[in-house]
Amino acid sequence: EVKLLESGGGLVQPGGSMRLSCAASGFTFTDFYMNWIRQPAGKAPEWLGFIRNKANGYTTEYNPSVKGRFTISRDNTQNMLYLQMNTLRAEDTATYYCARLQWYYFDYWGQGVMVTVSS
Amino acid sequence: DVLMTQTPVSLPVSLGGQVSISCRSSQSLVHSDGNTYLHWYLQKPGQSPQLLIYRVSNRFSGVPDRFSGSGSGTDFTLKISRVEPEDLGVYYCLQSTHFPWTFGGGTKLELK
Repeated sequence: EVKLLESGGGLVQPGGSMRLSCAASGFTFTDFYMNWIRQPAGKAPEWLGFIRNKANGYTTEYNPSVKGRFTISRDNTQNMLYLQMNTLRAEDTATYYCARLQWYYFDYWGQGVMVTVSS
Repeated sequence: DVLMTQTPVSLPVSLGGQVSISCRSSQSLVHSDGNTYLHWYLQKPGQSPQLLIYRVSNRFSGVPDRFSGSGSGTDFTLKISRVEPEDLGVYYCLQSTHFPWTFGGGTKLELK
């Protein structure tokens, strides 16, 4: 069974940093592109970016809205996905999801973790 | 960015009824590889989005055949027949043809 479990959210001050984690299980982690998606309360989701699989060199692609502030990485020995978020703003407040990519669509999502940026 | 416009925003329905949700994109979603990467998700209250339809018309594993997707180019439709209580929630379309990938604004399916 595919499982994705995010952690690391909480309250952070504007200008601060936070790292989110996503523990993956139930599939061969290195075979898949992995994504981060966020969703402000009551709004539509926003794709943030992905990190490619082993066959494609684990390179990354980002939404320009977060490029330069957010960094996606993975630890393939631990089946972990990460999102490093820097210079956080109030508008980064959202629920953050990790999701597996299967031929251009997200087939499995985690349950999400909340991030609140506020002083 | 590709703008995805869903209509209606709110859709009242009676159980057992049939509904259609429209998703229109600001540019063609035909990829250079010939595929059209338009997908549909349902987000039930308090849950993460779940995949219903991928690449316009393919039902994901376990999705009942009451759900069907159609369309091409810039104009796409999700149809739900014989609506059941578990179908209520917010429906989103997603395009993954053009970077950055973008979602529609959502259509809330609710009981009349």
